Parts: sequence; C-alpha cells; structure tokens
Amino acid sequence: NAGVIQTPRHKVTGKGQEATLWCEPISGHSAVFWYRQTIVQGLEFLTYFRNQAPIDDSGMPKERFSAQMPNQSHSTLKIQSTQPQDSAVYLCASSLEGTGNERLFFGHGTKLSVL
Amino acid sequence: QQKVQQSPESLIVPEGGMASLNCTFSDRNSQYFWWYRQHSGEGPKALMSIFSNGDKKEGRFTAHLNKASLHVSLHIKDSQPSDSALYFCAVSMSNYNVLYFGSGTKLTVEP
Repeated sequence: NAGVIQTPRHKVTGKGQEATLWCEPISGHSAVFWYRQTIVQGLEFLTYFRNQAPIDDSGMPKERFSAQMPNQSHSTLKIQSTQPQDSAVYLCASSLEGTGNERLFFGHGTKLSVL
Repeated sequence: QQKVQQSPESLIVPEGGMASLNCTFSDRNSQYFWWYRQHSGEGPKALMSIFSNGDKKEGRFTAHLNKASLHVSLHIKDSQPSDSALYFCAVSMSNYNVLYFGSGTKLTVEP
C-alpha cells in the first residue's frame, strides 16, 4: 500500500499562470479530501468527494479554484491565474467511506510557490 | 462553520516530561474528535480519536473530552524527542461531515 500519492511534490508558477495538482487516493477508499496548509491559517478544508461525486466545496475560493474526480483513482485541484497568496502546501487525503469516525490518510502534499 | 482553536501555539518540554495540548471547538453538535500529528515534510497522521466524554488512553497518549465545555485535550506522558512535531486537533459534527482542523501546536521535546 503506497498510501495517498500527490504529484508534484513542489510546483513553482509565475503569477497569472495555471497550476494543476494531482492526487491518487488509497485503492478502495471512496472519499477524497483536499486541504490547504499555511502557517497563518493552518489546515483549511477546501473540498471533498465521495464515490467521485462532489459533496462539499464550501472551503473552495469560488473564483479560480476547481476540483474534479474523473475516476476513482485520481483527483485534481486546478488553480487558474495563480496569485502569490495561493502559495501553500496543498494536501490530499482519503478515507474508506468519508465518515467522521474514520481516520483520514494524507499524502505528503504539494508545495505550491507562486512568484 | 465550525471554529477549532488550539493552545498553546508552541510548547517546549524536556525529554521524559508531560506535554499538554488544548483545543476548543465552537459547535455543541460536534461528535467526532481526532488528534493528528505532522512531522516536518510529511502529511498529518492520525494519532487517536475520542468520541465520548471522559478519558481515552493509548500508550503514552491520553485524550480528554468535555463536550459541555467544548474542550478536548491531549496529554503526552514521558515525552520523547521523536514526539517533536506539529499537533492538530480535528473536529467533525457528524457522519459524512467535514473534519475541521485547528491551527496546530508545535511541540518540541528537548533531549
């Protein structure tokens, strides 16, 4: 079991460019979560999917951010027209069914730096 | 939206000492409480959960929950340098509900 795989580990973009982050959940897990980590804000919830369907995207900035889960083996987080304030570590997590009594398994994260 | 606050922001304890981390949450309907630990360069890993009022012990770690006072804590006995990490409290209101995290407590255990 390789755990949750996130690629790339580091991404550097120029202001205004697009960034796409990838996540491969643990095989058999039906829930996928995206969080953003900064020193100031801590771990912020962005969005989550269950059985590939979007369930809650209340944490997603409405402009420029979008997430998809085209199949059960991967999810993507896309940030259009990146801004310096988007610089953060983006963490993907998965769990068996997405229930509150289950632990989340996190990937190592993708560190996004917007210059 | 659920607010989760942790204190202190950082904590230094000597090796073999006791570390106490605190967390308050805002929604009285919260049901599931977790502690996660994150070492530098890694993603957070679940340490332990607590779902009922009272204490729950797992090895050197003891979690305490008091829903009435909206408070959950983690106590680490006989702290080791390997316990040095960022500790997060996480709270969920119900099944199929999002897990909200606090801002973390940075624990340093000095040899």
